[in-house]
Amino acid sequence: QKEVEQNSGPLSVPEGAIASLNCTYSDRGSQSFFWYRQYSGKSPELIMSIYSNGDKEDGRFTAQLNKASQYVSLLIRDSQPSDSATYLCAVPHSGTYKYIFGTGTRLKVLA
Amino acid sequence: EAGVTQFPSHSVIEKGQTVTLRCDPISGHDNLYWYRRVMGKEIKFLLHFVKESKQDESGMPNNRFLAERTGGTYSTLKVQPAELEDSGVYFCASSQSSHYGYTFGSGTRLTVV
Repeated sequence: QKEVEQNSGPLSVPEGAIASLNCTYSDRGSQSFFWYRQYSGKSPELIMSIYSNGDKEDGRFTAQLNKASQYVSLLIRDSQPSDSATYLCAVPHSGTYKYIFGTGTRLKVLA
Repeated sequence: EAGVTQFPSHSVIEKGQTVTLRCDPISGHDNLYWYRRVMGKEIKFLLHFVKESKQDESGMPNNRFLAERTGGTYSTLKVQPAELEDSGVYFCASSQSSHYGYTFGSGTRLTVV
């Protein structure tokens, strides 16, 4: 089992719909969770962080964390073609600064 | 605020040659990290500096890789001698603390032929 797992996609959603991206992790000691967006050929860009169970909203983005079930998700409301990118889930290895990344989910928002 | 700067952006070298990658972190960020993504795989940790000290180098693949951080400012990652499997994108990132996430550089795409 991989330490951080994501469905590689592509996940295709129509413009204006909600995109739901999921991530599961194996380290029960993990305390912080990050979502990065990466456009093709560009660097990963931090878009959301979450530390507590529940939801955290920032604009059109909502991160959801469930530590008991060891999953973290990212919802993108009113999806736009400019949201088309690969979304990476990153989980610091407990007690360290070392991030474990998932392989990323490629999102395509269709105009 | 200037971001994390990496250069070169691309490098093509022959197997057996030496390549040095450079990273300039965001000013004031004590933490500097190197990561690598090989084709089709996830981004993987290589090492972590706190100022000039190596905090964790557990991800360095072998002794052909040498990282330094002079005076706690910029960092270099040297690959000597390069092998075909070293091809990939090398990312540098920096942070003030791990709690707030990293800022990544644009990466160096290394191709070993």
